[in-house]
Amino acid sequence: GALVYQYPRRTICKSGTSMRMECQAVGFQATSVAWYRQSPQKTFELIALSTVNSAIKYEQNFTQEKFPISHPNLSFSSMTVLNAYLEDRGLYLCGARLPGKSQNTLYFGAGTRLSVL
Amino acid sequence: GQQVQQSPASLVLQEGENAELQCNFSSTATQLQWFYQSPGGSLVSLLSNPSGTKHTGRLTSTTVTKERRSSLHISSSQTTDSGTYLCAIDITAQVVGQLTFGRGTRLQVYA
Repeated sequence: GALVYQYPRRTICKSGTSMRMECQAVGFQATSVAWYRQSPQKTFELIALSTVNSAIKYEQNFTQEKFPISHPNLSFSSMTVLNAYLEDRGLYLCGARLPGKSQNTLYFGAGTRLSVL
Repeated sequence: GQQVQQSPASLVLQEGENAELQCNFSSTATQLQWFYQSPGGSLVSLLSNPSGTKHTGRLTSTTVTKERRSSLHISSSQTTDSGTYLCAIDITAQVVGQLTFGRGTRLQVYA
C-alpha cells in the first residue's frame, strides 16, 4: 500500500493565485521530507529539504517566499506555490525516508499535478 | 553539466524481449535508486543499489561504483512495463536523501 499520500492529485489554479499541497506519511514517522518538481519535458528538480525542528533548506532556484513549506509534525508536510504562473506547472512530489530501511532510500507519493491557467 | 545521464532516451520492445537501461553519473554517489514513473506520473521506487548487483522479480540492477555507472535489466518485458525509468543518485551523506535525477529512459513495450 501507499506509504506517502499526497493531496490533491490534480489541481488547476488561475495565474497569480496560490495553491497548497499536502504530504502525509502513512504508518510511519517522516523526520525529513524532500519536495521535488517535474516540469513539462524535464526531470525532477529538488525544491527543498524539510526536517522537523530544523531550518528548511531550499535549492538555488527556489525560495521560501515562493514555496513556503510547513512541517509541523513527523507525519505531515505541506507546501504552497504562491502567485503561480505558467512556469510553475508540473508534477510536485514529496519523498520521505522510511525508518529502518536502507539509508537514503526515498519513497514518494503519487504527486500533485499543478496546471496554471 | 548533467550529473546523471541515462541511455537510451527511449526504447521500444516487443513483449518478451529484454531491456537494458544505463545510468552514468559524474559524482561519487552514496546512494543510487531506480524509479519507475507511470504514464500518469506516479513515481515508484524499484531498487536501491549503491553498489553491486540486486534482483527483484524480473529486474536486475548492477552498479559499479568506481566506474560511476549502473544498469537496470528488465527480463521478459511486458506491456505493463511501459513507462519512464529514472535513475537518481545522492551525492551527500544526509539522511533524507537529496536525490539528483537523470532525464529517464522512456520504455514502450508492444504486445
